[in-house]
Amino acid sequence: DAKTTQPPSMDCAEGRAANLPCNHSTISGNEYVYWYRQIHSQGPQYIIHGLKNNETNEMASLIITEDRKSSTLILPHATLRDTAVYYCIVRNSGAGSYQLTFGKGTKLSVIP
Amino acid sequence: GAVVSQHPSWVICKSGTSVKIECRSLDFQATTMFWYRQFPKQSLMLMATSNEGSKATYEQGVEKDKFLINHASLTLSTLTVTSAHPEDSSFYICSAMYQQGQETQYFGPGTRLLVL
Repeated sequence: DAKTTQPPSMDCAEGRAANLPCNHSTISGNEYVYWYRQIHSQGPQYIIHGLKNNETNEMASLIITEDRKSSTLILPHATLRDTAVYYCIVRNSGAGSYQLTFGKGTKLSVIP
Repeated sequence: GAVVSQHPSWVICKSGTSVKIECRSLDFQATTMFWYRQFPKQSLMLMATSNEGSKATYEQGVEKDKFLINHASLTLSTLTVTSAHPEDSSFYICSAMYQQGQETQYFGPGTRLLVL
């Protein structure tokens, strides 16, 4: 699976959009980009995933560049409860290739 | 939908005892479940992949005789830490595969184990 690179930490003002970048320059054509977050002392929470097109759900938007070498997770109106470690993970789409490899992620701090 | 539970949420035990942790998919069936371990200030590390009705596949460096995994039904997997020692103290998290277009892992809330 392709490796990802994320900034170790970011701050965001409450109510503003939080834009979390992820670099995955070695991604291959059949690999998906997944985003999870982990609030302190809890299990990871699934946020969103995508292959080529931009995706949006009730939690966030995922913007994937045309060359697929990077992506951005957008939390449109960050709240204090969005403070967490955010993980960007690239995973093969093939049957049986379900494993997720967690890196260090980005620690997002939402500031009042 | 796609809710995963774990029990217990925390456990304290004496060194040498065995501890069983349950992982359940509450509103879906999961043929594949995973077990992770997370030490303080570190990221999640995959321990093993559990497939219903078959033996678990362990990651390199994880002792299969120490961490017994049973996946007897489509909604339940158990992890038993046998003869636990203080170095086994950690945060144990399970996940279950849910078909959502692309198969997606949903995680339980985790079990914190402290071995005295």
